[in-house]
Amino acid sequence: NAGVMQNPRHLVRRRGQEARLRCSPMKGHSHVYWYRQLPEEGLKFMVYLQKENIIDESGMPKERFSAEFPKEGPSILRIQQVVRGDSAAYFCASSRTSGGLKNIQYFGAGTRLSVL
Amino acid sequence: LAKTTQPISMDSYEGQEVNITCSHNNIATNDYITWYQQFPSQGPRFIIQGYKTKVTNEVASLFIPADRKSSTLSLPRVSLSDTAVYYCLANQAGTALIFGKGTTLSVSS
Repeated sequence: NAGVMQNPRHLVRRRGQEARLRCSPMKGHSHVYWYRQLPEEGLKFMVYLQKENIIDESGMPKERFSAEFPKEGPSILRIQQVVRGDSAAYFCASSRTSGGLKNIQYFGAGTRLSVL
Repeated sequence: LAKTTQPISMDSYEGQEVNITCSHNNIATNDYITWYQQFPSQGPRFIIQGYKTKVTNEVASLFIPADRKSSTLSLPRVSLSDTAVYYCLANQAGTALIFGKGTTLSVSS
């Protein structure tokens, strides 16, 4: 059973370009979470999605950032007009349906975004 | 959401048992306690999860007292490869995980 797959692993963009980060959850998982980790800092929650729905986007910047999890295909985190401050590691996690109390999020290896 | 507090760093030697204690005084009834391990340039890796008493798996043990206001992750006989950052979290199902700075464990030979 493959784990959470993120691609690309490394992404270099110039200021003003768009960055698209992809996340395929583990098989059988329908919940996806995106986190961002700045250098020397802990992970910060950005957005929580289920298929075709955004459940919680309280951690996502209001401008330039968007996320989707379509019925078919991976979840996409999109950053428009990137700035140097967007340089970070972006991690995706997935979990099974939220029934019951116990719910484990499994993380991918991350995408390291560098903005020149 | 419960806030967790854990030591910033710990040092150990190979072969020793390491216990990392985390406090979560405001833990809610529906919160589970989860520990993750993170190596540089990698995503967090799930270690263990529990609700109360003791949980053990092939990697670690987790001790949670009756009041659930703290928990202790126990790593038996650590090796150099256990050098990593360890995060303690308390969260409900279907919610965002709130990571603190974690505990940086350094294992020496």
